[in-house]
Amino acid sequence: DAGVIQSPRHEVTEMGQEVTLRCKPISGHDYLFWYRQTMMRGLELLIYFNNNVPIDDSGMPEDRFSAKMPNASFSTLKIQPSEPRDSAVYFCASSRGASGRSGAYEQYFGPGTRLTVT
Amino acid sequence: RKEVEQDPGPFNVPEGATVAFNCTYSNSASQSFFWYRQDCRKEPKLLMSVYSSGNEDGRFTAQLNRASQYISLLIRDSKLSDSATYLCVVRTSGSARQLTFGSGTQLTVLP
Repeated sequence: DAGVIQSPRHEVTEMGQEVTLRCKPISGHDYLFWYRQTMMRGLELLIYFNNNVPIDDSGMPEDRFSAKMPNASFSTLKIQPSEPRDSAVYFCASSRGASGRSGAYEQYFGPGTRLTVT
Repeated sequence: RKEVEQDPGPFNVPEGATVAFNCTYSNSASQSFFWYRQDCRKEPKLLMSVYSSGNEDGRFTAQLNRASQYISLLIRDSKLSDSATYLCVVRTSGSARQLTFGSGTQLTVLP
């Protein structure tokens, strides 16, 4: 079975440019999560969706960040304009629904997008 | 105080050794517990869920102590391939899906 797919795997851009990160969750998973990982702050949850609807975006650092999930198999995280402090690895993860069932809360991560903003 | 705290290590152990990691969590209402491993420059991968009665998966044993709010991971007969960062993960709210990740404990198994 295909896991979570992310693209691009690496992105180098200049400050002020727009960056779009893409994610395809595991088929059948109802939840999708966007995380950011840095050495200083570790792994931080940015936003998550349930059935394509944003549930909690309290981790989104500021208005420069936005995320969408137009359908069950695709999500984007956009940074506009990008800044050097946005440099990090961005992970997408998914999990299935059906609370109460074994394994319902386990999250499966994609390979990440390593973003460098110069 | 961090929600999930781990000893960052590094732990350097010889092949075949037994090594244990501990993790503490601050919210007594925490509901679900996991250990993930993360290899260098890779994504976190689920190692095992942690159940109230404790559970074992091959060489790996996880324990949960709700009274003291800590979780442990024991690795027996460690292999070179066990070298990674081990992340303690907690889900707090009953219905919410957010997971809180510890900062990780780095393990290096030496030949």
